[in-house]
Amino acid sequence: EPEVTQTPSHQVTQMGQEVILRCVPISNHLYFYWYRQILGQKVEFLVSFYNNEISEKSEIFDDQFSVERPDGSNFTLKIRSTKLEDSAMYFCASSLTGQGRAEAFFGQGTRLTVV
Amino acid sequence: AQSVTQLGSHVSVSEGALVLLRCNYSSSVPPYLFWYVQYPNQGLQLLLKYTSAATLVKGINGFEAEFKKSETSFHLTKPSAHMSDAAEYFCAAFGNEKLTFGTGTRLTIIP
Repeated sequence: EPEVTQTPSHQVTQMGQEVILRCVPISNHLYFYWYRQILGQKVEFLVSFYNNEISEKSEIFDDQFSVERPDGSNFTLKIRSTKLEDSAMYFCASSLTGQGRAEAFFGQGTRLTVV
Repeated sequence: AQSVTQLGSHVSVSEGALVLLRCNYSSSVPPYLFWYVQYPNQGLQLLLKYTSAATLVKGINGFEAEFKKSETSFHLTKPSAHMSDAAEYFCAAFGNEKLTFGTGTRLTIIP
């Protein structure tokens, strides 16, 4: 069964460092998303990506964040200069369409710890 | 803006009892509604979805949900709880290119 895969599963980084979280969406999907879940809180939308550009982003997704689909298979989230409050579980998701009819498949998440 | 409200951050039921997890959404036309389950240290797994077809939606693991437009609700139910149902459950609505999640309900099953 196709699945979304994320690497690494856990990353520890020092405050101020850059991190790149990697995702391989399901191969025929066209819409890609990043969400995050701070420990004990709800899942929050960060950004959606379609046709090689951002289609929607939340106010959390400020200039410190960027996304890229560098090679047609990977979908990355970069945090330029990490802050303590960036510590969270980051989920990548993909879907065939963006209209809600299609299920968004989620990866297992990357737990980012900023120290 | 889309919003989803889950009443009850923690719900405990006895094994074999009815499970009822509540979800209300803000009005949006048309709403696409989802229930996701998150087991400890795992990702989000889709339980079921409503996409304007039948109002009673059946999902995996014996769960179902009923869309009630008049009440703007999409409550999740299961007739008989099993120990393996212990998890966090999230209701979500899709609109404006994104899923908006509720705050989640942690379901505990009492043996």
